[in-house]
Amino acid sequence: EIVMTQSPATLSVSPGERATLSCRASQSVSSNLAWYQQKPGQAPRLLIYGASTRATGFPARFSGSGSGTEFTLTISSLQSEDFAVYYCQQYNGWPLTFGGGTKVEIK
Amino acid sequence: EVQLLESGGDLVQPGGSLRLSCAASGFTFSSYAMSWVRQAPGKGLEWVSSMIGTGGTTYYADSVKGRFTISRDNSKNTLFLQMNSLRAEDTAIYYCAKDSSGYYYADSWGQGTLVTVSS
Repeated sequence: EIVMTQSPATLSVSPGERATLSCRASQSVSSNLAWYQQKPGQAPRLLIYGASTRATGFPARFSGSGSGTEFTLTISSLQSEDFAVYYCQQYNGWPLTFGGGTKVEIK
Repeated sequence: EVQLLESGGDLVQPGGSLRLSCAASGFTFSSYAMSWVRQAPGKGLEWVSSMIGTGGTTYYADSVKGRFTISRDNSKNTLFLQMNSLRAEDTAIYYCAKDSSGYYYADSWGQGTLVTVSS
């Protein structure tokens, strides 16, 4: 099983600042990595797929990078609506696995 | 517009059974793999099971293998999850998700249905 590790668990950021979230895979997943955003009381929403392709509806301040075992989600200038929990997921092999999540909270 | 509507969640005793349903609309259901993902209260996301569009190949997390069965009725655009021998640790919101074409990441999610396993 591929273990996905996200860091930090919680990230405190002021509005307008940059946020950098990390996701590490226990073995290579190539670029088969997705990011999801989940707000309280809501279902997750696809944010990034293929490690770096933004899903429909998300602005350019969200960007994904990386390949192999190291991935990064960057939010260039945090807006109030971006405070949420972010999960990474590998889909390179079975079982599909998620990281434990990073909560981005207001500083 | 893709819509996924889960139903069937309930309070059930340990050892009991439950069948979840997910009614899909807005896309050609039979052409896409579908998955179930769960989230225990206050916890992260856990993949449960996936099934390819034609209804053949299925995949399960080790935590549910042998107890849960995923199935689909492409004539009714509906995905199912039969859950047997339920345990307290199965308590979670269960989300139905549509997988992207050719890849197993979820590009659309339902709102979820709550399963509580407790005596």
